[in-house]
Amino acid sequence: QSVLTQPPSASGTPGQRVTISCSGSGSNIGSNAVNWYQQLPGTAPKLLIYSTNQRPSGVPDRFSGSKSVTSASLAISGLLSEDEAGYYCAAWDDSLNGLLFGGGTKLTVL
Amino acid sequence: QVQLVQSGAEVKKPGASVKVSCKASGYTLTSYSISWVRQAPGQGLEWMGWVSTYSDNTNSAQKFQGRVTMTTDTSTSTAYMELRSLRSDDTAIYYCARDRDSFGLDSWGQGTLVTVSP
Repeated sequence: QSVLTQPPSASGTPGQRVTISCSGSGSNIGSNAVNWYQQLPGTAPKLLIYSTNQRPSGVPDRFSGSKSVTSASLAISGLLSEDEAGYYCAAWDDSLNGLLFGGGTKLTVL
Repeated sequence: QVQLVQSGAEVKKPGASVKVSCKASGYTLTSYSISWVRQAPGQGLEWMGWVSTYSDNTNSAQKFQGRVTMTTDTSTSTAYMELRSLRSDDTAIYYCARDRDSFGLDSWGQGTLVTVSP
């Protein structure tokens, strides 16, 4: 069981906006930046959001990140079929002195 | 462009060791740390630890301490992860990734499947 809690699944129709949550604690999300990764089926993860709300070059502005106290969220607007993937949050944990990943959310585009 | 290329798939017996390599190109290896992450079949991502590529300091997740060794060879721009005393639940894809701290794991290797089976 992950210390960062994500819903196991989410879904939406093309064009919709979906949000994926990531709940942690004061020693991880409450104290450190949150990063988000996208993993398409059969491929390595890809950095989607860094430093809580920044997009690497090449990531569409349909993807956005935010944080409030000990929870973080990834929002995807204008949903496309190509967004169907696994999404993982991650944050450093000061108590464990290690990087934590959420359990992952499988996004289905209906 | 930044690229991390990992060694090929391995099949090991329980109790054996495996050493996975990760060759970096497109940047200077010593500029950033390397993290190792694994993913068991159908499961999520699990951070194993990181190695500082300029000091060889390491930090591993508690569950792997004593069983994992992470090293680098700057002459060949290659990072290595060795996992000992393999068990069946170590069967997973092992990834290396360039670690930029709060800027995230911004480049990943293609993954190395390690299968532990009698």
